[in-house]
Amino acid sequence: ELKVEQNPLFLSMQEGKNYTIYCNYSTTSDRLYWYRQDPGKSLESLFVLLSNGAVKQEGRLMASLDTKARLSTLHITAAVHDLSATYFCAVDIRSGTSYGKLTFGQGTILTVHP
Amino acid sequence: SAVISQKPSRDICQRGTSLTIQCQVDSQVTMMFWYRQQPGQSLTLIATANQGSEATYESGFVIDKFPISRPNLTFSTLTVSNMSPEDSSIYLCSVDATGELFFGEGSRLTVL
Repeated sequence: ELKVEQNPLFLSMQEGKNYTIYCNYSTTSDRLYWYRQDPGKSLESLFVLLSNGAVKQEGRLMASLDTKARLSTLHITAAVHDLSATYFCAVDIRSGTSYGKLTFGQGTILTVHP
Repeated sequence: SAVISQKPSRDICQRGTSLTIQCQVDSQVTMMFWYRQQPGQSLTLIATANQGSEATYESGFVIDKFPISRPNLTFSTLTVSNMSPEDSSIYLCSVDATGELFFGEGSRLTVL
């Protein structure tokens, strides 16, 4: 059974600081996603990581994937209040020729303080 | 990308009743997925809906409780049957489009 574990589960940051969220998974993955969820809202896709060594950046967020270590990281640079949200990683394992059956981590609740 | 519309966005339901959630996509997709997010929790896959065949359910979910229809390549429904307060959750449909998995806005159900 695939397990996906995030840490930390709760993260309180000061504005301007850097921090990393970790996502470990237990079996070989074909795709790894990072999503953002604001309270009462649906999921916003942040990154899709497809291969070992993949690195993607968007604004103050950077995601990376190490398939050998079964580890993905989401790095936050110079945090701002607008980044406060819950962040999920999710692992996708191909079923036949199709993707879409995700196993999610527990989520990391990020709060950025002034 | 894909634009996914869900109805209803939220509802309050009485114990023992059933509710059907609709999911409409703006493009044809082979597979649609239904997820559940219980309060304060992560997301769990309920089932995969293929057009022209029966839905495939994940462990812990059964067709009698969560019947799914998939009449065409842009539409699916999920029914939550004989609801109890434990069914209070956000139900989300998703599709795989252009190499990414997109989610609808979700349907927030509260069962009293």
